Amino acid sequence: AQSVTQLDSQVPVFEEAPVELRCNYSSSVSVYLFWYVQYPNQGLQLLLKYLSGSTLVKGINGFEAEFNKSQTSFHLRKPSVHISDTAEYFCAVSRADSNYQLIWGAGTKLIIKP
Amino acid sequence: DTEVTQTPKHLVMGMTNKKSLKCEQHMGHRAMYWYKQKAKKPPELMFVYSYEKLSINESVPSRFSPECPNSSLLNLHLHALQPEDSALYLCASSQDPKSTDTQYFGPGTRLTVL
Repeated sequence: AQSVTQLDSQVPVFEEAPVELRCNYSSSVSVYLFWYVQYPNQGLQLLLKYLSGSTLVKGINGFEAEFNKSQTSFHLRKPSVHISDTAEYFCAVSRADSNYQLIWGAGTKLIIKP
Repeated sequence: DTEVTQTPKHLVMGMTNKKSLKCEQHMGHRAMYWYKQKAKKPPELMFVYSYEKLSINESVPSRFSPECPNSSLLNLHLHALQPEDSALYLCASSQDPKSTDTQYFGPGTRLTVL
């Protein structure tokens, strides 16, 4: 079975500062990794995904994430945040052989302070 | 076009009412999903349709009845709901359940059961 841990329920950060949202996973099989963002009162939007290849993945809106197999982590980073990045961020994994079942982290709320 | 649409955006219903949620995609995706999301929680998978056939039912109560009339459309029929069923209902689609393709989410229907 797979599991995902997002240790930080909230991350407050000043505007234009860098941010890192942490995600750790456990799995006995190969997995794919995803970060989704949910803006207030909206659905979920894919930020980026790791399937294979380069461990540094670039996504939309200036976000990137690095897959670290030895540490079973997939942390999300942005060098400079904006007010518009205020949202809930979910890390998710799926089995590499069948990705219908997304296993979700609890989510991290990114709070941008002006 | 990477859009999944859902109607209505908001729905208020009594416990004796019958209502339906609608989801539509025109991306040629053959897998469609219903999720339930409570406030400040990640989505919970309810149903998966693969090639218009129900392939996964995550032990959802029978007061929720999914229907897939064609490859572009997914409905969720609601009957005799309970107040604890109040939540955001999200529809998603992907190329097919066994691919590495992303799940694309709609904006959701916010359901309130009185």
